[in-house]
Amino acid sequence: DAKTTQPPSMDCAEGRAANLPCNHSTISGNEYVYWYRQIHSQGPQYIIHGLKNNETNEMASLIITEDRKSSTLILPHATLRDTAVYYCIVNNYGQNFVFGPGTRLSVLP
Amino acid sequence: KAGVTQTPRYLIKTRGQQVTLSCSPISGHRSVSWYQQTPGQGLQFLFEYFSETQRNKGNFPGRFSGRQFSNSRSEMNVSTLELGDSALYLCASSFRLAGLAENEQFFGPGTRLTVL
Repeated sequence: DAKTTQPPSMDCAEGRAANLPCNHSTISGNEYVYWYRQIHSQGPQYIIHGLKNNETNEMASLIITEDRKSSTLILPHATLRDTAVYYCIVNNYGQNFVFGPGTRLSVLP
Repeated sequence: KAGVTQTPRYLIKTRGQQVTLSCSPISGHRSVSWYQQTPGQGLQFLFEYFSETQRNKGNFPGRFSGRQFSNSRSEMNVSTLELGDSALYLCASSFRLAGLAENEQFFGPGTRLTVL
């Protein structure tokens, strides 16, 4: 089973920041948090990952709480093309990714 | 740098047949993982190959198999196809053995298999 829980769906207005939460209360010290997104029927696209510190790249920012039990993916200025299913994954050491159902983000005009 | 490529993109087979799907990883990546995605079960891990050896396997029957070649290209095979094998099959490549900390995987576009 996935080690993360995410809301099944969220809406966001175009141009506004989209904040996608993820709970991973059983994360262990050496496990990273990864975010991917999947636009309909395409392969998942890597967004960002982190361990303890907040991370930012050209696509998004990742905010991880100090106790590492939850994180938030931030898309600073959502566009219609950001409509997708977003997956938060905690990689289990020695195993491959376990995907949960993710959050279906709808960016509304 | 070219991304992960998968061939064919679409495939239609009938029950009982077998099928082979191909995946070419990003240049320099040595790990290839395969996933099955269905509406009911979501994305599920099938197996991973690293340096031509299967390193990890998901909970799928033996009808699902794979291999990796010396150039890191990988194939997966499904024998005796069942209707429930209809799915999007995705492969992902990574530089290190997937599952090691900090090792992002990059996915291909997938092969859509329909079993009639």
